[in-house]
Amino acid sequence: DQQVKQNSPSLSVQEGRISILNCDYTNSMFDYFLWYKKYPAEGPTFLISISSIKDKNEDGRFTVFLNKSAKHLSLHIVPSQPGDSAVYFCAASDVDGGSQGNLIFGKGTKLSVKP
Amino acid sequence: KAGVTQTPRYLIKTRGQQVTLSCSPISGHRSVSWYQQTPGQGLQFLFEYFSETQRNKGNFPGRFSGRQFSNSRSEMNVSTLELGDSALYLCASSFPQSGSYEQYFGPGTRLTVT
Repeated sequence: DQQVKQNSPSLSVQEGRISILNCDYTNSMFDYFLWYKKYPAEGPTFLISISSIKDKNEDGRFTVFLNKSAKHLSLHIVPSQPGDSAVYFCAASDVDGGSQGNLIFGKGTKLSVKP
Repeated sequence: KAGVTQTPRYLIKTRGQQVTLSCSPISGHRSVSWYQQTPGQGLQFLFEYFSETQRNKGNFPGRFSGRQFSNSRSEMNVSTLELGDSALYLCASSFPQSGSYEQYFGPGTRLTVT
């Protein structure tokens, strides 16, 4: 049973437009959420995180929104650039429960940004 | 600061053999987590070590084990290798003492079992 779901395996966006990547979770104990970007043959690169006490966190072109009641989070990339083309993973952990070292990952969404 | 390093980067082993993978965390990071990535299952948590103690464990058989040394470097061992153990093994370090729970990943070790 997947606790973190990314229902879109792929997304294609035009350069300069907004990319919106979505993630749903089922475990209400999750209180910390992260987004990672991954290129083939490399480890995931941390992008941005959000604690459950917030509903939005921004870092440059990246913004993460958290809707706890819907158990949903999204990553917005504005404006999208061709270099953003990669697989994006959503991850969650139960920090208060002592499981901060255990990230539960979604299956990823492959983003393609076309020039 | 240097990032997380993993050795070796690539490994080919035969069924039934055992393997040891190594991970050096970012300087100052005391938590090291290990993950297995396969095309079918995605990224799955193996275990986490903090100050030389296993703090969390995922749902993997006992053939998968690990340890952490006093300098925070970590090793994971897989005994009696099976074909299904072929995967990318990733290690990640973090600095939870600061209240920051982001994990920083190494490049991974690609293990192929034949």
